[in-house]
Amino acid sequence: GAGVSQSPSNKVTEKGKDVELRCDPISGHTALYWYRQRLGQGLEFLIYFQGNSAPDKSGLPSDRFSAERTGGSVSTLTIQRTQQEDSAVYLCASSLSPSGSYEQYFGPGTRLTVT
Amino acid sequence: RKEVEQDPGPFNVPEGATVAFNCTYSNSASQSFFWYRQDCRKEPKLLMSVYSSGNEDGRFTAQLNRASQYISLLIRDSKLSDSATYLCVVNNAGTASKLTFGTGTRLQVTL
Repeated sequence: GAGVSQSPSNKVTEKGKDVELRCDPISGHTALYWYRQRLGQGLEFLIYFQGNSAPDKSGLPSDRFSAERTGGSVSTLTIQRTQQEDSAVYLCASSLSPSGSYEQYFGPGTRLTVT
Repeated sequence: RKEVEQDPGPFNVPEGATVAFNCTYSNSASQSFFWYRQDCRKEPKLLMSVYSSGNEDGRFTAQLNRASQYISLLIRDSKLSDSATYLCVVNNAGTASKLTFGTGTRLQVTL
């Protein structure tokens, strides 16, 4: 079946512009996660969605970052007034359950470059 | 201290060698442990979960030492295709939603 998909695969934007990154999780997966991975670094947790519960936003680095998940499926991560330090790969993952004992399946990521 | 710490490597080993990676975690209440594999410029993929009793999957063996708060990954008979970054991942009690990833250990298997 189809895996997690993300779009765009690459995005180059000018400093100060807003960007929207999209994630389509695996059908039937109730949990959705966003991570950021800077070059040569580990994954940083950003935000987590589970069903109709309030999202866990504890990883968002600033109020320029926000995310939505519509209809319990597709999610959009928005970065406003982008800065050069926002340059990174943004990875989305989904899982069957939020328990942590279920595998998280990752999408291919969106490579964001802020010039 | 980082929540999850790994030696970044790189570990350069010849084909057929046995190699082991360790990872330490800071939260003694951590509940679930995993090894993920990430190929260059690709997304991470689950390699194996780590159980208290230790577990083996083919050439790969994972061990958990709760007393010392570390987990290990042993790869026997290394293949060229094992070249990748291996991420140690921990799920902490009370944070069912969040996995904490180590920065990874890079393995390069050579002829």
